[in-house]
Amino acid sequence: QSALTQPPSVSGSPGQSVTISCTGTSSDVGTYNRVSWYQQPPGSAPKLMIYEVSNRPSGVPDRFSGSKSGNTASLTISGLQAEDEAEYYCSSYTSSATFVFGGGTKLTVL
Amino acid sequence: QVQLVQSGAEVRKPGASVKISCKASGYTFSNFAMHWVRQAPGQRLEWMGWINAGNGNTKYSENFQGRVTITRDTSASTLYVDLSGLRSEDTAVYYCARGWTGGWSYWGQGTPVTVSS
Repeated sequence: QSALTQPPSVSGSPGQSVTISCTGTSSDVGTYNRVSWYQQPPGSAPKLMIYEVSNRPSGVPDRFSGSKSGNTASLTISGLQAEDEAEYYCSSYTSSATFVFGGGTKLTVL
Repeated sequence: QVQLVQSGAEVRKPGASVKISCKASGYTFSNFAMHWVRQAPGQRLEWMGWINAGNGNTKYSENFQGRVTITRDTSASTLYVDLSGLRSEDTAVYYCARGWTGGWSYWGQGTPVTVSS
């Protein structure tokens, strides 16, 4: 199972919006609404930010939103804040009843 | 509150095996699936496998080619992962996580494993 494709890095200034893409195949992202997004600051465990494509767990700010079109899922962070700087990973369920992560995207708040 | 507390850091020689535990509390252990995810230094997250904590059914990533075994002890609300045939590339932080297919909202603190001769 190949990793999902994410851009290595994105950046934005405080208050701006950024979008991180996550491209898979028809065997994972394209077929299942089981895409989730995780935020991982350096040296910490991942934190769930979005589940099932577009749902936010309680406690996650509504600045974080998710969507999907075809084989590509996206995480959008609006009103960027310095505390959003971290590594972000997408994950998807697959047709093999397994899971796959993306390569990770480093978000820099300028 | 839900907590997943993992066992401590491990050091092993190449070819050896390691078994890591993850003790769950704050919920009914058998009602959820549990996963193991690892992260080599500076690398991406890598999914290893999962277990239905209720019936014990498991599924593993093909990337581990039979080297990984996930078990659980429901009486102790504890999850285990056993990785054999260790090589230097298995040096990583290993995480347990709770959830079914939609997303994993609870994670252990991570267990560093170092494989070195």
